Amino acid sequence: SQQGEEDPQALSIQEGENATMNCSYKTSINNLQWYRQNSGRGLVHLILIRSNEREKHSGRLRVTLDTSKKSSSLLITASRAADTASYFCATKNNNAGNMLTFGGGTRLMVKP
Amino acid sequence: DVKVTQSSRYLVKRTGEKVFLECVQDMDHENMFWYRQDPGLGLRLIYFSYDVKMKEKGDIPEGYSVSREKKERFSLILESASTNQTSMYLCASSLGWRGPYEQYFGPGTRLTVT
Repeated sequence: SQQGEEDPQALSIQEGENATMNCSYKTSINNLQWYRQNSGRGLVHLILIRSNEREKHSGRLRVTLDTSKKSSSLLITASRAADTASYFCATKNNNAGNMLTFGGGTRLMVKP
Repeated sequence: DVKVTQSSRYLVKRTGEKVFLECVQDMDHENMFWYRQDPGLGLRLIYFSYDVKMKEKGDIPEGYSVSREKKERFSLILESASTNQTSMYLCASSLGWRGPYEQYFGPGTRLTVT
């Protein structure tokens, strides 16, 4: 079942602007991950944040996690046309073995 | 780098045919997964395997079976393909129970059943 729900479903911005995507989930988690998918391709892992972490950075990516609100956000700073893709959050739930539960994704379009 | 390969990028089959989708990973990962991805429904887990010859049903196993005879290879089988199985199929792998659990995906197979 889909636990993570991304918001917004679609986002269109100009190159150079920041893009923020949000993810909400329902059960307690071990970690939360963000993935990127270019059109018609497989998913690529971007960043993982553990349940005891509040913020994590990787290049132009910044992820926050608020376990009290069961939510996470992915910020892409200084966006580029090449960032155009779908972005998915995925949760590793405490009672779900090695499985991840993926959300429906946010489609990001960055206009040059 | 982890590499996950899938046997076909595009596949067209007829209703009632038996279909095999193959996935191979080269990083000695214990876990392997099969998902299908449909517009508006995100990724849904069909089956996963945590070891050779071991398998667990995911959220939507009906109409599918799997085989894992070797650690690096995980096959998805559609016993009798139906039009509602037209979809993008994604294979993934990850390390075992020790984590850290990020999954590595293949490029996907877009299956059309006519």
